Amino acid sequence: DIRLTQSPSSLSASVGDRVTITCRASQSIDKYLNWYQQKPGQAPKVLIYAASSLQSGVPSRFSGSGSGTDFTLSVSSLQPEDFATYYCQQSYISPLTFGGGTKVEIK
Amino acid sequence: QITLKESGPTLVKPTQTLTLTCTFSGFSLTTSGVGVGWIRQPPGKALEWLALIYWDDDNRYSPSLKSRLTSTKDTSKNQVVLTMTNMDPSDTATYYCAHRHTSAWYYFDYWGQGTLVTVSS
Repeated sequence: DIRLTQSPSSLSASVGDRVTITCRASQSIDKYLNWYQQKPGQAPKVLIYAASSLQSGVPSRFSGSGSGTDFTLSVSSLQPEDFATYYCQQSYISPLTFGGGTKVEIK
Repeated sequence: QITLKESGPTLVKPTQTLTLTCTFSGFSLTTSGVGVGWIRQPPGKALEWLALIYWDDDNRYSPSLKSRLTSTKDTSKNQVVLTMTNMDPSDTATYYCAHRHTSAWYYFDYWGQGTLVTVSS
């Protein structure tokens, strides 16, 4: 199975900050990497697919980059509604796997 | 508009079999490329993919749970059913079903609200 390691596992940030989360795959997954946002009590919501494609309806302050084994999710200017947990997911090969999550908290 | 909703028992006893139903609308599981996945999340923990069923009856399962999982579809009812045998307290989790985007990128673009299943005697 492909293991996805996210870092950091949690971070504290202020509104307006730029935030970057990384996801490292245990082997190359090309660009088959997706990012989800999950708020407490809610289902995950896809933000980025194929490493860097913005899902329809997602604010442009979210962006993704990377290929191979190293990927990043960035939020250019953190908004109050962005405090949540973020997960990466690889769809290169079955079994599909998720990262351990990064919780973004208010500083 | 695509919607999905999970239903099933909220409490099961250890060793029992769990049966969850995902009822969906806005797409058909007879359409080429369509798939519905199951993902679970233990309280306070990360997401875990369980299974994926495709329009052509192809099924994929998590290797660690494959012996316990079965996924079937009823296209006339727009439902997918997941069964998990020999439930254990460690299977306590919120179970989600999700629509797999029909592109080759295999991401889940629509999710159900999730259903919390507790395994306890």
